[in-house]
Amino acid sequence: GQNIDQPTEMTATEGAIVQINCTYQTSGFNGLFWYQQHAGEAPTFLSYNVLDGLEEKGRFSSFLSRSKGYSYLLLKELQMKDSASYLCAVRGRDSSYKLIFGSGTRLLVRP
Amino acid sequence: DVKVTQSSRYLVKRTGEKVFLECVQDMDHENMFWYRQDPGLGLRLIYFSYDVKMKEKGDIPEGYSVSREKKERFSLILESASTNQTSMYLCASTQPGAGRGYEQYFGPGTRLTVT
Repeated sequence: GQNIDQPTEMTATEGAIVQINCTYQTSGFNGLFWYQQHAGEAPTFLSYNVLDGLEEKGRFSSFLSRSKGYSYLLLKELQMKDSASYLCAVRGRDSSYKLIFGSGTRLLVRP
Repeated sequence: DVKVTQSSRYLVKRTGEKVFLECVQDMDHENMFWYRQDPGLGLRLIYFSYDVKMKEKGDIPEGYSVSREKKERFSLILESASTNQTSMYLCASTQPGAGRGYEQYFGPGTRLTVT
């Protein structure tokens, strides 16, 4: 079957660093996406990994290990506005470009 | 900027009603998707379309149908709404291709309540 796991909730302090993990088991792999979703809003794209390694984009970085079926999203210098849900999604190796989503990790940033 | 719009942000319907949710994208994307999002379950794919008049079932198509008569518009239809279809409905679009930049773009969502 296809499965994507991420923690349900995390709490961190403003200014700190937080790492949100995602493990996946899918039939085929053609990229892993991270999305941010504030309450009541649409998910917005954060990052994309298809090769192993770290992709850095400002305060956000995303890492992928295809052999381990593992990714993480690293958020540095946390700000209050980073309180949101973070969705991990995998694109399978077919022509439809469907994404399989995890349940999302709700991050609460405290002062 | 890619824009995906949905016809309503909030909708309240009665059990048994036929419900239409509309989605429009302005980037000439070929692929469009309908998801529902429920607490603890994440986004689940209902239907998707990879071309005009083409559609395929996703993971939870029961109780839903779709229509894509024009490239920019993808409609989700609840033939006879039931209370277990109360949910947030999200539309998304993408252009086929691999690599960076081929992410899905989401609309703002429609929160549907069926009473």
